[in-house]
Amino acid sequence: EVQLLESGGGLVQPGGSLRLSCAASGFTFSSYAMGWVRQAPGKGLEWVSGISGSGGSTYYADSVKGRFTISRDNSKNTLYLQMNSLRVEDTAVYYCARFSGSYFWSAEYFQHWGQGTLVTVSS
Amino acid sequence: QSVLTQPPSASGTPGQRVTISCSGSSSNIGSNTVKWYQQLPGTAPTLLIYSNNQRPSGVPDRFSGSRSGTSASLAISGLQSEDEADYYCAAWDDSLNGPVFGGGTKLTVL
Repeated sequence: EVQLLESGGGLVQPGGSLRLSCAASGFTFSSYAMGWVRQAPGKGLEWVSGISGSGGSTYYADSVKGRFTISRDNSKNTLYLQMNSLRVEDTAVYYCARFSGSYFWSAEYFQHWGQGTLVTVSS
Repeated sequence: QSVLTQPPSASGTPGQRVTISCSGSSSNIGSNTVKWYQQLPGTAPTLLIYSNNQRPSGVPDRFSGSRSGTSASLAISGLQSEDEADYYCAAWDDSLNGPVFGGGTKLTVL
């Protein structure tokens, strides 16, 4: 059974940093692209970032480009999201999601989702 | 403002058939397949439809998807109370080089 468990969320001041982690199990982690999707309180889903199975290719939404960094450690079956220069509008539940294939591209899709971790940016 | 456009709400009575629309453009729905996600209250989204009209194992055949041009729709037949949820359409966007979502449709079973 595919399991994705996010951690690292919490309260941070504007301009601060936070690192999210996603521990994966139940599948061959390195064979699948992964991504982060967020949902602001009472709002819809927004894709944040993606990474290929090997970790060699990374992708970002314009809203986070230059501030967030996605990475993965295939030896630890763990996905990360380093978030810097956080803004109030980054407040959201952040979901880790597994793609349906090893490449983060148009033919694939988010097949499995974690339960999410809440990030609150406030002074 | 979401890239894909969905009605904010929809409703139906048990046993009825309801449809939810999703409108996009040539850079997303017009050139890539559509997915649908279901988000039950207080839970994470789950995949409902992929490749326009394919259901993952475990999804009842009451759920069906279609795509035509730059629009797509999700149909739910034999509506049940447990179908009350938020539904999101999604597609890859070639201009943004990433997936985009609709704003979501809240389905109420009356």
